[in-house]
Amino acid sequence: QSALTQPRSVSGSPGQSVTISCTGTSSDVGGYNYVSWYQQLPGKAPKLIIYDVNKRPSGVPDRFSGSKSDNTASLTISGLQAEDEADYYCCSYAGEYTWVFGGGTKLTVL
Amino acid sequence: EVQLVESGGGLVQPGGSLKLSCAASGFTFSGSAMHWVRQASGKGLEWVGRIRSKANNYTTTYAASVRGRFTVSRDDSKNTAYLQMNSLKTEDTAVYYCTRCEDGAAAADFDYWGQGTLVTVSS
Repeated sequence: QSALTQPRSVSGSPGQSVTISCTGTSSDVGGYNYVSWYQQLPGKAPKLIIYDVNKRPSGVPDRFSGSKSDNTASLTISGLQAEDEADYYCCSYAGEYTWVFGGGTKLTVL
Repeated sequence: EVQLVESGGGLVQPGGSLKLSCAASGFTFSGSAMHWVRQASGKGLEWVGRIRSKANNYTTTYAASVRGRFTVSRDDSKNTAYLQMNSLKTEDTAVYYCTRCEDGAAAADFDYWGQGTLVTVSS
């Protein structure tokens, strides 16, 4: 199972919006609505910020939103804040009760 | 407060074995699926394996990279999940996280994570 494809890095200024893409295949992202996103701060465990493509766990600001079109899922962060600087990972169910993560995207807040 | 605490990591030689533990508290462990995810230094996350609840027959599945070498198990009486790792390779060197998920067939909402335990495979 190959990792999902994410851009290595994205950047934006405070207040702006950024979108991180996550491209897979019809066997994973495109085949199921089980895509989640995680935020990982340096030296910390990942934190769930989006699940089931576009649902937010309680406590996650509505600045974070998710979507999916065909084989590509996207995470959009609006109203960018300095504390959003982190690594972001997507994850998808990949069939046969296996899961696959993306390679990760480093978000820099300029 | 939800807590997942991994232990058992360390240095092991190639071909050796190691068993990781994940002690859970603050949620209904017995009704949850438990997954293991690893992260090599400076690299991305890699899903390793899962064990479902008793209601789903403790079914396990594994990533191709560890299938046949790693085994996930659980003891609901101790609220603990385990990862038995055999025939270890240098490429298994990583921080290993346990994480909880709803026990749906394909659910990918890993909502609670441990702090991770480092496994180093080296001679």
